[in-house]
Amino acid sequence: EAGVAQSPRYKIIEKRQSVAFWCNPISGHATLYWYQQILGQGPKLLIQFQNNGVVDDSQLPKDRFSAERLKGVDSTLKIQPAKLEDSAVYLCASSFTSGAPEQFFGPGTRLTVL
Amino acid sequence: SQELEQSPQSLIVQEGKNLTINCTSSKTLYGLYWYKQKYGEGLIFLMMLQKGGEEKSHEKITAKLDEKKQQSSLHITASQPSHAGIYLCGADRDDKIIFGKGTRLHILP
Repeated sequence: EAGVAQSPRYKIIEKRQSVAFWCNPISGHATLYWYQQILGQGPKLLIQFQNNGVVDDSQLPKDRFSAERLKGVDSTLKIQPAKLEDSAVYLCASSFTSGAPEQFFGPGTRLTVL
Repeated sequence: SQELEQSPQSLIVQEGKNLTINCTSSKTLYGLYWYKQKYGEGLIFLMMLQKGGEEKSHEKITAKLDEKKQQSSLHITASQPSHAGIYLCGADRDDKIIFGKGTRLHILP
């Protein structure tokens, strides 16, 4: 079974630039999560999708971050404009359904903002 | 303040030695996850505990949720280089996971 795919793996941008990350979850998984993991911290949930609907985006900085999952499969997370404090690893995870005991994580995208 | 506190923050052990990592919550735990993260990679699910006193094992890793359901421990027996990485505990909060900061484990050959 193919795992959660993410691209790119690494991205370096300057502050005020825009960046987008892509995630393709495990086939058949209805729930998709985006996490932000700052160096030395645990992952923090940014947004949770159930199919193509948003379940929770309470911790998403909506003035600069946006995410979509238009067809209920793959998803993109965008930052516009980026700030220095956005430097982090952005992890995508999926689960069969909301509340399923196991989330499957992708390898992450490491973003460096200069 | 952090809802989940993990201790120690980092740990260096000789290969073959046993070790324990603790996770303490400021709130009652209704579900507690243990994940492992290799440096520069995503998280790998180890196990989930839900009932007070529950204990689960996977290969040489054993985790337990205490009776009062506010603390969990993860124990590794006869550690190996493959056990090196970051161990994260996570609390189930309304079908979402709140993670601790992690414990960094280094194994010396």
